[in-house]
Amino acid sequence: EVQLLESGGGLIQAGGSLRLSCAASGFMFNGYALSWVRQGPGKGLEWVSGISNSGVSTFYADSVKGRFTISRDNSRNMLYIEMKNLTVGDTAVYYCAKRDGAHWGQGTLVTVSS
Amino acid sequence: DIQMTQSPSSVSASVGDRVSITCRASQGVSNYLAWFQQRPGKAPKSLIYAASTLQSGVPSKFSGSGSGTDFTLTISGLQPEDFATYYCQQYHTYPLTFGGGTKVDI
Repeated sequence: EVQLLESGGGLIQAGGSLRLSCAASGFMFNGYALSWVRQGPGKGLEWVSGISNSGVSTFYADSVKGRFTISRDNSRNMLYIEMKNLTVGDTAVYYCAKRDGAHWGQGTLVTVSS
Repeated sequence: DIQMTQSPSSVSASVGDRVSITCRASQGVSNYLAWFQQRPGKAPKSLIYAASTLQSGVPSKFSGSGSGTDFTLTISGLQPEDFATYYCQQYHTYPLTFGGGTKVDI
């Protein structure tokens, strides 16, 4: 069974940093491009960042470019996103997912306070 | 960036109804189009990928069609558990983009 399990969310002050992790199991991790997607309170889904299966290529939404860094460790089946200089606007549930959305984690809540 | 325009933004329906939701891409995405269902407080659930391929375990009352720029999700025989918000997403080109969502309620 495919599982994606996010962790690392929490309450952080504006300007702070946080690293989210996503532990994957049940599929050939190094064969899939992955994404981070977020959903602010009462809002729709917003794609945040993506990474190729090898980790060589990374992609970012304009709203996080220069502040967020995506990475993966194919030896440990782990996906990460390092978030810096957080703002209130980054408050959201963050999901990891396969690029085609076939599988999603349960999400981890990041709350940025002013 | 490819814009995904989903319509309607909300639809009222009854149990047993058939509902269609459309998604239009600002440029062609071939068939790299997925549909998701999201219930309140839950993670999105994949329904369809490659525009028309049903995800494993998803009932056949869900169907998808289209290619290029125009896509449709149809839900037949609405049941209480189908009342949720539905999203489309293109995964043809980065940045990946989602439609704004369609809330299906009673």
